[in-house]
Formats: sequence, C-alpha cells, structure tokens
Amino acid sequence: AQSVTQLGSHVSVSEGALVLLRCNYSSSVPPYLFWYVQYPNQGLQLLLKYTSAATLVKGINGFEAEFKKSETSFHLTKPSAHMSDAAEYFCAVIRSGGYNKLIFGAGTRLAVHP
Amino acid sequence: NAGVTQTPKFQVLKTGQSMTLQCAQDMNHEYMSWYRQDPGMGLRLIHYSVGAGITDQGEVPNGYNVSRSTTEDFPLRLLSAAPSQTSVYFCASSPSGRSDGYTFGSGTRLTVV
Repeated sequence: AQSVTQLGSHVSVSEGALVLLRCNYSSSVPPYLFWYVQYPNQGLQLLLKYTSAATLVKGINGFEAEFKKSETSFHLTKPSAHMSDAAEYFCAVIRSGGYNKLIFGAGTRLAVHP
Repeated sequence: NAGVTQTPKFQVLKTGQSMTLQCAQDMNHEYMSWYRQDPGMGLRLIHYSVGAGITDQGEVPNGYNVSRSTTEDFPLRLLSAAPSQTSVYFCASSPSGRSDGYTFGSGTRLTVV
C-alpha cells in the first residue's frame, strides 16, 4: 500500500529564512504528488503538484518542490519565509494507474517568527 | 462558481444519534471523497466514489455510510454517532482523480458528546 511520510510535525523558521518541509513516499511506480496548505479553520488549498511533466514544480506563493525518484522524495521549499506562510502543510499522493485515492501524510505545522 | 459546498459547518450530536453530512459540487466532477481530520493524523479517507452509483471504502469506513445517486451530491451518514467520531470532516472532488488533484470543501466540525 502506498504511504506518505512527512518528517517533522512542527517546523519553526525566522521570517526571511529558507523553508524546507520534507515528504517521502512509498510507491512501486512514480505517483502523482501534491502539496496542500491549510490555514487555521479553513479547508485545504492546492499549492502545487507533480504529474511527471517536470521534476521541479513551482506553485503558488513562491513555493516549489522537486521530485527525486532515487530518493522517493518530494520536499517543499521556499527561499524566504513570510509571516503569512504560517499554516499546516500536507503532502499527498495518488498512485498513477491506481484507483484515484488521494492519500495524505500526517502534516507539518509551520511557524514563522519575527 | 461555488466549488465544493459542505453543510452544516458545525454540529453537536449526542452519542447514538444519527445524522447526514451534506456535500455538493457544481463542477461536474466524477470523483468525490470524504476525509476526516484528526490532530497528528493528517486526513484519512473514509469513503470515495468514482461516479454516480459507484462507491467504495477508504482507510476508516466503519460507522459511516455513503451513497452517490447524482454526480453533484455525495452525502456521508453517521448511523449511530460515537465520541470517537468527533472530528473535522472534509469532502473533496476531482475531474479525473489523477493529476488534477482534488478540490476541498471548507469542512464540517462535528462533536459527539
């Protein structure tokens, strides 16, 4: 069964610092990969997605992620954190060729301090 | 364009009561799913549907029923509410269930006392 592991349930960075949120997946074939963001008391918003077209994917709000098949990773980065980036971030996977179930990691809560 | 609409936004139930969480989408999406969100556990798939008349179980289906009589609607029924079902519930839809990803509703916060 496919799964998603997010390393670090809480990450804290200073405003202006690099943001790195880690995600590893287990799948026998390269899947479709997604990062979602959830602001307090809101639903989930799609940040970016990997669909095999390009390994480096750019999303909204300055975020990007790189698909690395050899490491089965899809880490999310942003060069300079902003206070408004404080939220919970979820990595998720759909197994390509599978039954279209979107499976989530446990989430990483990002705190940004001045 | 309303997207995915969930009602109610908040609900308190007594143990043993039943209720239906409503989900409707106006994007003509074939794929729809229900998730529950609990602290530290991410979102877990309860049930999903790949089209009208077709549903299947996800990771945590016990205590929940679904049906899909139309493309637009995908209600989630709690047959006999238990405190363990206290959670935030999200409905999501997708055109293909693949590279498009899913669009999420704003959630229903359910408390069972």
